[in-house]
Amino acid sequence: EDQVTQSPEALRLQEGESSSLNCSYTVSGLRGLFWYRQDPGKGPEFLFTLYSAGEEKEKERLKATLTKKESFLHITAPKPEDSATYLCAVSERNTPLVFGKGTRLSVIA
Amino acid sequence: EAQVTQNPRYLITVTGKKLTVTCSQNMNHEYMSWYRQDPGLGLRQIYYSMNVEVTDKGDVPEGYKVSRKEKRNFPLILESPSPNQTSLYFCASSPYGPTQPNEKLFFGSGTQLSVL
Repeated sequence: EDQVTQSPEALRLQEGESSSLNCSYTVSGLRGLFWYRQDPGKGPEFLFTLYSAGEEKEKERLKATLTKKESFLHITAPKPEDSATYLCAVSERNTPLVFGKGTRLSVIA
Repeated sequence: EAQVTQNPRYLITVTGKKLTVTCSQNMNHEYMSWYRQDPGLGLRQIYYSMNVEVTDKGDVPEGYKVSRKEKRNFPLILESPSPNQTSLYFCASSPYGPTQPNEKLFFGSGTQLSVL
């Protein structure tokens, strides 16, 4: 069973059409949940870290939230430059990050 | 500029021909790691290193070797590559690694390896 599950696998939005990406996790003793953005042909780039349920973080059109079982990455009024694969990863105590398989987002002008 | 540098960017080789992918970071990070990324499987950790001369296996270490003789370098070695090692490889680093809860990884640009 995957410890980190992201949905949907792919999402196609019109420019300005807000939506959310989901990351659910089953690890116990969560120390941190990370969101990364990955552009085609490039390495992932850090976006956010969330530590406890109820926490929220924002950056431009992105807002990440965390509950005890999942995290959401909300995208408000997306633009074509937001097109990328968004990766979620979770950290348990003293163990390497476990990554989800990602959500491939396409924003059409 | 703070960065993780991998070389080469693209590599095509044949089965059994030893190869090395280099990784270097200029941020004085203690923790370095190698991942492979395959369609439908996501990022999987191959090996990691908490500091010089300290390395450990990740989730998929078979067929790979690493070394950490210097803090800045963490090469990935494939002694006898096979076609199932065709993948996109990423090196990453962070200041102290997963012992710190707020650690974020800095990734290189990737190496696309094809083993024929």
